[in-house]
Parts: sequence; C-alpha cells; structure tokens
Amino acid sequence: DTGVSQDPRHKITKRGQNVTFRCDPISEHNRLYWYRQTLGQGPEFLTYFQNEAQLEKSRLLSDRFSAERPKGSFSTLEIQRTEQGDSAMYLCASSYGANTEAFFGQGTRLTVV
Amino acid sequence: KQEVTQIPAALSVPEGENLVLNCSFTDSAIYNLQWFRQDPGKGLTSLLLIQSSQREQTSGRLNASLDKSSGRSTLYIAASQPGDSATYLCAVITYNNNDMRFGAGTRLTVKP
Repeated sequence: DTGVSQDPRHKITKRGQNVTFRCDPISEHNRLYWYRQTLGQGPEFLTYFQNEAQLEKSRLLSDRFSAERPKGSFSTLEIQRTEQGDSAMYLCASSYGANTEAFFGQGTRLTVV
Repeated sequence: KQEVTQIPAALSVPEGENLVLNCSFTDSAIYNLQWFRQDPGKGLTSLLLIQSSQREQTSGRLNASLDKSSGRSTLYIAASQPGDSATYLCAVITYNNNDMRFGAGTRLTVKP
C-alpha cells in the first residue's frame, strides 16, 4: 500500500468550468476527509465520510461543492462553476476510525484563471 | 464548535536549540490530538498521535504532551536541525462532531 493517493496533482481551469478531484485512501481505512488549504493557513475542513456515508460537511459544501464516496472506497470532490477564490490546495486524508492516526495525500493544487 | 489555536505563528531559531510549539483547543471532549509537519507545497506528514487518555508521546527528537483539561498540547523538538524547517500543525478530533479540526500552524525556520 503506497498511502493516500490524490489525482490530479495539479489542475488549471478557466473560471466557470467544473472540476473533479479523486482521492484513493489507504485500503481498509473507513474514514476519509477532504480539506481546502490556502497559502499560510491551516487546512479548512470540508467534509468527511465514514465508509460510504457522508457524516458531516461544512457550509462550503452546499451549493457548488459536492463530494461522494461510492461503495466506501475512493472519493471524488467536484466543484461546479469554479471561481478564482476556489484556487487552493485540496487535501484528502484517511484513517481507520476516529481514534487512529490520519494520513494525508500530497494534495491537488487548483488554479482558476 | 472546536477552535484550535497555535502559538507562535512563526519561529526562527539557530541550529541545535531546543524549542516548544504550542497548540490550544476550546473543546476538551476530544478523541485524540495529532501533530503534523508540512513542507512548502506538499501534503501533511503525521508526526505523533496522542490519545485522549495519554499524557505524552515520543518519537526520536520529538515529544508531544497533552493536557486535556486545560485544552493544551505542546510539541517539543530537541536539538533542532535545518531539516526541521517546516510548518507544524496540530489537529483534534472531538466527540461531538467527529471531524478533525486544525490550527493555522507554526512556521519553523532553523538556521544553520
């Protein structure tokens, strides 16, 4: 197992386009988190899944942002009608339960032009 | 809602110095607290996980302590090296929300 994998690593898109990111967690990790991070800030919570159930999401994830985790394996994060303010690093993490170590992927850097 | 604060925001020390990074949180009903390291433009690397029932964890030159009742954790780095230069982040998982919340981080520079 090579750890948490995110794809793509970089994405440049024009304002108004839709983008989708993928996260493959460590196998058998039932928890999966998504975060957004801008320069100089800590990761900002977006949502998390326990298996295939989306248990919590921030107010950012209502409207243009949506996330799925079909069958409790990989997850996708979609941003519709991208805006320049969406430019950030999108991070994914996984863990086995709430009380174990979480591991992060390398992130997807989104640039909206 | 859990609020996590890290002080200082930035720290610059000469090589070899011992240093302490601070993390505080407002809701003490936590499962655990985890310290991470982040290099510029990269993802987060896990350093130490402290369960709520534990007082400290050690890994090499790193020692993390947890005082749940006062809502504080410290990360102690012994004999700092230039390779320790990075941003250090703490995160907590609370019973109420079960999500993982981060502080803004401490940017550490260790000068040769």
